[in-house]
Amino acid sequence: NAGVTQTPKFQVLKTGQSMTLQCAQDMNHEYMSWYRQDPGMGLRLIHYSVGAGITDQGEVPNGYNVSRSTTEDFPLRLLSAAPSQTSVYFCASSPVGTYNEQFFGPGTRLTVL
Amino acid sequence: GEDVEQSLFLSVRERDSSVINCTYTDSSSTYLYWYKQEPGAGLQLLTYIFSNMDMKQDQRLTVLLNKKDKHLSLRIADTQTGDSAIYFCAESSGYSSASKIIFGSGTRLSIRP
Repeated sequence: NAGVTQTPKFQVLKTGQSMTLQCAQDMNHEYMSWYRQDPGMGLRLIHYSVGAGITDQGEVPNGYNVSRSTTEDFPLRLLSAAPSQTSVYFCASSPVGTYNEQFFGPGTRLTVL
Repeated sequence: GEDVEQSLFLSVRERDSSVINCTYTDSSSTYLYWYKQEPGAGLQLLTYIFSNMDMKQDQRLTVLLNKKDKHLSLRIADTQTGDSAIYFCAESSGYSSASKIIFGSGTRLSIRP
């Protein structure tokens, strides 16, 4: 299994541009989520999905959209990038079951100029 | 709202024990976790403890939970250079994979010779 994969690894955008961060998992996990990691602030939940066709907002959803058309894929869209969205983005998935272990992708480092 | 706090830095000598501490506010926490993040990588679950336990040991790792004081600690025995990483404390208040997980800001562990 490849686990959780994310592309791209690095991205630089100009203010106002849009882009999609890709996330895929091959473990048949129902639950997927997006976090952003900022220095000294831990991980903050952006959006999550409990299954195909179902998404919901996390702690910091503004400026981001998600969709979940398949179990495997959970893309994150930045509609109009802003410098405040400069961060490292992690996608995670979790199986249904005990103790809710989250499996993380390697991250996407995004810089918005 | 729920919060998880931990100190940002810890420096220990190689082969000494490392103790990383964490406090949390959610009295309904069901699972508490320690995740490890190595440079340039995503988070990986190191260990977890169910809220009705007060201790869990796994090889060099010992987790202590004081539910009354809402205090969690991770002890790494015989600390090695490969233990250099950021360690995140996290808590979850539910049983399903959709349960919200709150992460602390991470403790950067550095090892000196």
